[in-house]
Amino acid sequence: GAGVSQTPSNKVTEKGKYVELRCDPISGHTALYWYRQSLGQGPEFLIYFQGTGAADDSGLPNDRFFAVRPEGSVSTLKIQRTERGDSAVYLCASSLTILEEQFFGPGTRLTVL
Amino acid sequence: AQSVTQLDSHVSVSEGTPVLLRCNYSSSYSPSLFWYVQHPNKGLQLLLKYTSAATLVKGINGFEAEFKKSETSFHLTKPSAHMSDAAEYFCVVSDPTGGSYIPTFGRGTSLIVHP
Repeated sequence: GAGVSQTPSNKVTEKGKYVELRCDPISGHTALYWYRQSLGQGPEFLIYFQGTGAADDSGLPNDRFFAVRPEGSVSTLKIQRTERGDSAVYLCASSLTILEEQFFGPGTRLTVL
Repeated sequence: AQSVTQLDSHVSVSEGTPVLLRCNYSSSYSPSLFWYVQHPNKGLQLLLKYTSAATLVKGINGFEAEFKKSETSFHLTKPSAHMSDAAEYFCVVSDPTGGSYIPTFGRGTSLIVHP
């Protein structure tokens, strides 16, 4: 069956530009998580959604980062005025409920030049 | 507050020998603990999870882990390594009883398997 998909798989942008990263969760999964993984590190929590609402966005590093999930399915992570330090792999995961196993997508590798 | 420490950044074993990947955690409540594996250019995959049932948890691909509350440990083991086990392994803790559904990942342990 279809797993979690993320697009694009790679994104190269210039400092100061705006980027959007998309996550398509497994159909029927109510919980959706975003993580950021830097080289040599474990995934770092950014935000999670229960349905359409952001249940906890305490991991977003600053107000340049924002995420939405308007219909409770697809989610978009938006980064304004990108900085070189934003370069990382951005991972998305979904689960049937917040207590269940998370299924991860392959990630989007963001490079800010 | 919750945290997790993976004691080894790299573990190197020969094919057919036992694997031990160490993980210690800190949690204020009754934690849920997980091990995930990440193969190169592939998504993270759940190996096994502990959620306050049996303390010895069996996972996929012959891996298992034992929850030891007195030692605050959740080490991952496998009796006999296979070349395909070479990957990055992450220990994860969350505290749902404390109202937090945010998983905290360790820094990862790279498992190297020699022929």
